[in-house]
Amino acid sequence: DQQVKQNSPSLSVQEGRISILNCDYTNSMFDYFLWYKKYPAEGPTFLISISSIKDKNEDGRFTVFLNKSAKHLSLHIVPSQPGDSAVYFCAASVYNFNKFYFGSGTKLNVKP
Amino acid sequence: DTEVTQTPKHLVMGMTNKKSLKCEQHMGHRAMYWYKQKAKKPPELMFVYSYEKLSINESVPSRFSPECPNSSLLNLHLHALQPEDSALYLCASSQVGIGGKNIQYFGAGTRLSVL
Repeated sequence: DQQVKQNSPSLSVQEGRISILNCDYTNSMFDYFLWYKKYPAEGPTFLISISSIKDKNEDGRFTVFLNKSAKHLSLHIVPSQPGDSAVYFCAASVYNFNKFYFGSGTKLNVKP
Repeated sequence: DTEVTQTPKHLVMGMTNKKSLKCEQHMGHRAMYWYKQKAKKPPELMFVYSYEKLSINESVPSRFSPECPNSSLLNLHLHALQPEDSALYLCASSQVGIGGKNIQYFGAGTRLSVL
């Protein structure tokens, strides 16, 4: 039973436009969420996180939005660059607990 | 330095072999993890060590045996594996949850093929 879901296996976006990656979760105990980016032949790299006391966190071109009532989070990348092409995983955990649940990933392709 | 180093990068082994995967970090993290990842699937947690003690075992078969000899090293001993165990094995480390960000830093993984 997957508690974190990314329903779009792939997304294609033109360079300079916005990329929006979505993630849904089912466990209301989750209160800490992260996005990871993964290039082929590399391990996942931490991108940005958000705790449930916030509904938005921004870091440069990357913004994560959290809608607790809908159990939904999204990652916005603006503007998208070809180097952003990778697989993006969302992950969730209970704050301070060392167990993360990962979504199945969304492969982003940013076209030049 | 946010590097987690895994060796070897690739490993091919027969079902009767014994091999070990190694993971090292020097970030002072006291939690270390093993994940298994199959193609187009999310990383699947196998084990968590916290302060060098096994804190989570996700019902992993005994042919996988983890070891944490010190706070910087994590090993995964493999014995009598099956072809379906072929996967990317990822190591990660993090601070133990202390009210701060609990970010896991991943190594590049070991690509394991069991023949």
